[in-house]
Amino acid sequence: DGGITQSPKYLFRKEGQNVTLSCEQNLNHDAMYWYRQDPGQGLRLIYYSQIVNDFQKGDIAEGYSVSREKKESFPLTVTSAQKNPTAFYLCASRLRTGIYNEQFFGPGTRLTVL
Amino acid sequence: GESVGLHLPTLSVQEGDNSIINCAYSNSASDYFIWYKQESGKGPQFIIDIRSNMDKRQGQRVTVLLNKTVKHLSLQIAATQPGDSAVYFCAENDAANTDKLIFGTGTRLQVFP
Repeated sequence: DGGITQSPKYLFRKEGQNVTLSCEQNLNHDAMYWYRQDPGQGLRLIYYSQIVNDFQKGDIAEGYSVSREKKESFPLTVTSAQKNPTAFYLCASRLRTGIYNEQFFGPGTRLTVL
Repeated sequence: GESVGLHLPTLSVQEGDNSIINCAYSNSASDYFIWYKQESGKGPQFIIDIRSNMDKRQGQRVTVLLNKTVKHLSLQIAATQPGDSAVYFCAENDAANTDKLIFGTGTRLQVFP
């Protein structure tokens, strides 16, 4: 089945630790995205990548880092510099051939800082 | 900055009734809009989209209406079912960067028997 996978589903982190969230897609999509969702709020863009080996900051990039070494993979690292990392993290991908293409989302990773 | 918002944070409807979820957008240059459904603890699922050259688009039990004059988007769900209970988000493309979407805060739809 084609789709987007995120792992782990739940992640617990101690303060001061870096953690990496995985996002993999087999849809052959060019663009990939990371969003953060807090309770009762909408999605806020952290980082996005339009092609391999390139990525841009979104609206709330501070305290996060990404890499895009392969088309299928777009891991997100939540660093110790992120002061309030507890949230639901969503990865998405999109085919870039044409303007009007929706983003497809993964199942999400819930990160809790202990 | 430009933003997408929703009129009602929570909508409660009886099973079998029709539901209407509204969304206001502020960027008149946006030309593509999407509705997503998000169930608790899951990622958003695409429901339906519409381009700005259309006023209405229908899917299975869902209809999206676009009023560009007042910059308003609505999602109509016919014969609402318990499985429709979720948070619904509208999103618009960022006209300055079509690779990006701008999301509203969402409306929670509750269906009761």
